[in-house]
Amino acid sequence: DIQMTQSPSSLSAAVGDRVTITCRASQSISNNLSWYQQKPGKVPELLIYAASSLQSGVPSRISGSGSETDFTLTISSLQPEDSAIYFCQQTYRPSFTFGPGTRVDIK
Amino acid sequence: QVQLVQSGAEVKKPGASVKVSCKASGYTFTDYYIHWVRQAPGQRLDWVGWINPKSGDTNYAQRLQGRVTMTRDTSISTAYLELNRLRSDDTVVFYCVRDLGGNSGHALAYWGQGTLVTVSS
Repeated sequence: DIQMTQSPSSLSAAVGDRVTITCRASQSISNNLSWYQQKPGKVPELLIYAASSLQSGVPSRISGSGSETDFTLTISSLQPEDSAIYFCQQTYRPSFTFGPGTRVDIK
Repeated sequence: QVQLVQSGAEVKKPGASVKVSCKASGYTFTDYYIHWVRQAPGQRLDWVGWINPKSGDTNYAQRLQGRVTMTRDTSISTAYLELNRLRSDDTVVFYCVRDLGGNSGHALAYWGQGTLVTVSS
């Protein structure tokens, strides 16, 4: 299976800060990468698909980039409601593995 | 609107089986893959597999091969997940998720509310 890693595992940032999370695949996955946000006790929500496409309804301060093995999720101006865990997921067949998650806290 | 409604929580003994249902509405059931994802308390998301509701084709995570079965009943727009030979580390929340479709690369767009399966003697 393709292994996914994320860094950092957690971060704390102030409202208005620019936040970047990285996700790395153990082999090339082209642009088959999605990002999800999960708040405590809630169902995950899709943020980004195909590495850089913004899911409908997701704020434009969130963006994704990357290809092959290295990907990033950026929040351009952190808001209080962005406090959550963020997971990347590769969907390059046959198995669709998730990263371990990055916890984002607000200072 | 797209809705996925899952069956209720289950408590099972080790070695038993569990079957979780996922009823879809708000779209044409056979047009989009259904995935199953599990999550142990405080842990990462874990992809279990997908089923193509149109053909019935399935693709399972390798580590669950032989224990998991996904089926569907198109007449009632419902997908099912069955997991056999339950162990204590199968205490998880199972989510059914509808694929975004198109050129999304199988992004998981619409999530059910989750079904907690507790395995305990």
